[in-house]
Amino acid sequence: DSGVTQTPKHLITATGQRVTLRCSPRSGDLSVYWYQQSLDQGLQFLIQYYNGEERAKGNILERFSAQQFPDLHSELNLSSLELGDSALYFCASSARGASGTGELFFGEGSRLTVL
Amino acid sequence: DQQVKQNSPSLSVQEGRISILNCDYTNSMFDYFLWYKKYPAEGPTFLISISSIKDKNEDGRFTVFLNKSAKHLSLHIVPSQPGDSAVYFCAASSSLTGANSKLTFGKGITLSVRP
Repeated sequence: DSGVTQTPKHLITATGQRVTLRCSPRSGDLSVYWYQQSLDQGLQFLIQYYNGEERAKGNILERFSAQQFPDLHSELNLSSLELGDSALYFCASSARGASGTGELFFGEGSRLTVL
Repeated sequence: DQQVKQNSPSLSVQEGRISILNCDYTNSMFDYFLWYKKYPAEGPTFLISISSIKDKNEDGRFTVFLNKSAKHLSLHIVPSQPGDSAVYFCAASSSLTGANSKLTFGKGITLSVRP
């Protein structure tokens, strides 16, 4: 158990709809990262938050947005969903700089299926 | 532009033998390199890491070697066990903190260890 909690674990929805994925980081971790894993692809970085502020942005579509709340949990909002958005979405957290190894701790992921 | 490359999608080895998983990178700013292991229906879990000031790091059966001039790293597993069968991701970052602390992942290698 990594200590990172993601909900829901599975989600099936239709094209054009909007969903929200939720992530609770490990206790004390200030950084949250979102990654997308599509079929046969590695983990693609989407966005990073640190203590409520956006820190880095990757290949995140304009239809997607995220935020980190004062209690440090984060939400990833996906709107106007397309078939190609079907993927595993992972959240990770870290106490970077504290451990010196640079590791991220990943949740179990939210599997989104768009029909 | 794939900055971290794992060119072999799969590897099969006999139990007890050595597994060697390779990874190449293109970004010379990367200073921290990590290996993650992923079982189906689980999130990636951290395995071992190395910083650019070292050329080798060992943890039990796992050893990571880094060749900075060749921009190449490898993970050695000795001896390989059936429980090591999983997808292995190589990842890299250029900083432990801030916007460059995000990890860039390769596509992964599926390791199968035959009993």
